[in-house]
Amino acid sequence: DQQVKQNSPSLSVQEGRISILNCDYTNSMFDYFLWYKKYPAEGPTFLISISSIKDKNEDGRFTVFLNKSAKHLSLHIVPSQPGDSAVYFCAAFGSGGSYIPTFGRGTSLIVHP
Amino acid sequence: DGGITQSPKYLFRKEGQNVTLSCEQNLNHDAMYWYRQDPGQGLRLIYYSQIVNDFQKGDIAEGYSVSREKKESFPLTVTSAQKNPTAFYLCASSIITGGNTEAFFGQGTRLTVV
Repeated sequence: DQQVKQNSPSLSVQEGRISILNCDYTNSMFDYFLWYKKYPAEGPTFLISISSIKDKNEDGRFTVFLNKSAKHLSLHIVPSQPGDSAVYFCAAFGSGGSYIPTFGRGTSLIVHP
Repeated sequence: DGGITQSPKYLFRKEGQNVTLSCEQNLNHDAMYWYRQDPGQGLRLIYYSQIVNDFQKGDIAEGYSVSREKKESFPLTVTSAQKNPTAFYLCASSIITGGNTEAFFGQGTRLTVV
């Protein structure tokens, strides 16, 4: 049973527009959430994180929003650039998972020039 | 430079053979993990270790084995019992904390069974 879900396997966006990637989780003991970006044949690289005591964290073009009551987080990329095209993984840590990072299945983002 | 290193990047194995994937980190992290990535499956946890000489099965441990004799090293053996070993394997490490943390990944090993 998946504890971290990314229900959209792919997303296509025009350059300059906003990309919104969504993630849902079921384990209420997760207290730290991360987004990773992955290019083919490479390891994931850390993008941005958010602690459960916050509802928003911003880093340049990337903003992560957390809605604890809905067990939902989203990653906003504004403006989107072709170099953002990659697979984005949502991950969760927490005492409910023994602090083992649990990943969603990923969303493949394609940004068209 | 601190980091996590996986080798080799590409590996070919004949059916019926065991093969060992290397993972080394110099980040002084207590926890290390092995994930497998298949198309449409995301990252699935194979094994993890939170302390030297101890490791635990993840979600898909069958056909795999690991050891953690040193803090820096967490090799993964793909045995002949693994029915579908062709995949992209990722090693990661992290500190263990109740607060903010982050898992760092290696560059991955693409294993192909021929």
